[in-house]
Amino acid sequence: QSVLTQSPSASGTPGQSVTISCSGGSSNIGSNTVSWYQQLPGTAPKLLIYFDDQRPSGVPARFSGSKSGTSASLAISRLQSEDEADYYCATWDDGLKGGVFGGGTKLTVL
Amino acid sequence: EVQLVESGGGLVQPGGSLRLSCSASGFIFTSYAMYWVRQAPGKGLEYVSGINTNGGRTNYADSVKGRFSISRDNSKTTLSLQMSSLRVEDTAIYYCVKSQFGEYYYYVLDVWGRGTTVTVSS
Repeated sequence: QSVLTQSPSASGTPGQSVTISCSGGSSNIGSNTVSWYQQLPGTAPKLLIYFDDQRPSGVPARFSGSKSGTSASLAISRLQSEDEADYYCATWDDGLKGGVFGGGTKLTVL
Repeated sequence: EVQLVESGGGLVQPGGSLRLSCSASGFIFTSYAMYWVRQAPGKGLEYVSGINTNGGRTNYADSVKGRFSISRDNSKTTLSLQMSSLRVEDTAIYYCVKSQFGEYYYYVLDVWGRGTTVTVSS
């Protein structure tokens, strides 16, 4: 199983807001910044959030990130059908001395 | 346009070897760390290996340590992954990924290739 824990699934209707959580420990989220990736069906992942709460250029402001202690969250507001994808959190783990990912959360827009 | 194009995937028997390559363009290759990340069929993302800007520092997941070797040729803007003693559980799409930084432990993966598929089966 993954070092970072994510709920396997989440859902919402268009226009709603949804939050995806990512739980870790002191050697990973507690010590390093978190990034989030969106993987649309059949495509490569795309960077969505870095440094816990920073958006790369081109990522809509509907996507926001936060972190507290050893947990992080990705919030998506005003859900759209094209947000239906898998979402992964990631960070560096000082104990494992390597990158780690969450198991991924499959977001369904009903 | 920043672009990463992987090649070298294919079908290989357990115990065999394979070399993946990634051709990079559209950015200053020598300024950024690079990674390999894989995704088994129907599964999540898994960190495989990272390398710093000049290739002097490398890092591996425990699952591939001693079997895989990452390298880069800055003169050809190419990243490579030499895989040996392959196992069925190494079957995955392998992505070449650019870091936002020069060191691999600043773990921000800002550009991904489309991936190349490795199948290990008898």
